[in-house]
Amino acid sequence: DGGITQSPKYLFRKEGQNVTLSCEQNLNHDAMYWYRQDPGQGLRLIYYSQIVNDFQKGDIAEGYSVSREKKESFPLTVTSAQKNPTAFYLCASSIAGFGQSYEQYFGPGTRLTVT
Amino acid sequence: AQTVTQSQPEMSVQEAETVTLSCTYDTSESDYYLFWYKQPPSRQMILVIRQEAYKQQNATENRFSVNFQKAAKSFSLKISDSQLGDAAMYFCAYRSPNFGNEKLTFGTGTRLTIIP
Repeated sequence: DGGITQSPKYLFRKEGQNVTLSCEQNLNHDAMYWYRQDPGQGLRLIYYSQIVNDFQKGDIAEGYSVSREKKESFPLTVTSAQKNPTAFYLCASSIAGFGQSYEQYFGPGTRLTVT
Repeated sequence: AQTVTQSQPEMSVQEAETVTLSCTYDTSESDYYLFWYKQPPSRQMILVIRQEAYKQQNATENRFSVNFQKAAKSFSLKISDSQLGDAAMYFCAYRSPNFGNEKLTFGTGTRLTIIP
């Protein structure tokens, strides 16, 4: 089945450690996105990538880094510089194209808890 | 920058009744796309319905329909014949039509409860 996988579902880390969240898609989508979800704040964009080896900062990129070495993969690293890393992280992908209302497909998410 | 506002943090409806969720947005673009996503307790985001701003006709998907008022920048979701499985968080989202700027801007969500 085609879709987006995120692993792990739950992740626990100590403060000061970097952690990498996995996102893989087999939908052959060019564009991939990372969102953060906090209670009462909806989803906010961290980073997005329209094509391999290229990515752009979203609205809340500070303390995060990404890479896009393969079309299928878009891992997100939460660094120790991120002040409030505990959150639910959602990865999404879509067809990239001008003038079309292509929907974004979402993965099941990763709940990160940093103590 | 675009903003999306959902002014109803929580709503409830009796099973089989109709409920309308509100969404307003602010943009200077003349063309854009609007979406309603559903997030059930599993937290999986699911697309409910989409609307292209250049289309005057309101989108409909089975029991789900929208009331798109472009001049008022309003995009409400109507759920008819509510079912227990409709219980979820509902998010309104905006997307620019420009290539390279296809990110979604989300509202803060409305939690919908279905009363049996």
